[in-house]
Amino acid sequence: KAGVTQTPRYLIKTRGQQVTLSCSPISGHRSVSWYQQTPGQGLQFLFEYFSETQRNKGNFPGRFSGRQFSNSRSEMNVSTLELGDSALYLCASSQAGTPLEDTEAFFGQGTRLTVV
Amino acid sequence: AQSVTQLDSQVPVFEEAPVELRCNYSSSVSVYLFWYVQYPNQGLQLLLKYLSGSTLVKGINGFEAEFNKSQTSFHLRKPSVHISDTAEYFCAVTSNNAGNMLTFGGGTRLMVKP
Repeated sequence: KAGVTQTPRYLIKTRGQQVTLSCSPISGHRSVSWYQQTPGQGLQFLFEYFSETQRNKGNFPGRFSGRQFSNSRSEMNVSTLELGDSALYLCASSQAGTPLEDTEAFFGQGTRLTVV
Repeated sequence: AQSVTQLDSQVPVFEEAPVELRCNYSSSVSVYLFWYVQYPNQGLQLLLKYLSGSTLVKGINGFEAEFNKSQTSFHLRKPSVHISDTAEYFCAVTSNNAGNMLTFGGGTRLMVKP
């Protein structure tokens, strides 16, 4: 079956602009999580959506937002881009609500955002 | 709050030698632990996970890890590495009340030399 699809794969934006990244989870998966990966800060959790509701949120400013649609596809938006927002943004999808239900989180290949 | 420390940022090793990548965690509640691998320009792939039960967990590609609650560790081991194991390895933790939110360590770059 198809894996997690993130679009676009690469993106270059200018400071002050906004950007929307998309994640299509594996069919049947209801949980979508977003992570930011940078050389300095490593992998940091942004937020998780489960059945269209934001369930957890990481420690990021309000410029970072997301949403999930009824088909489980998710988007994240970053407004007023800063140079420090340059990163690899990874999306992970999972079938169930918690790891205790013995499901695996599958990661997409990520969107590499460069802010200039 | 949870945290994960990967004690080595880089581990060089010769092909066919054994390797251990160290991971320690901190949490006030029961945890679930994971090891992921990331190849260049790729996402993360799950190697293995500990949810409950046997503390020795076997994963893909010949990797295994042992959960040690008293030492709050979850070290990853492989008895004989291959060049193809060269990658970045991440240890991660979550708990029952954290949904699917994973807290990652800083990563260990495994460099396998011929």
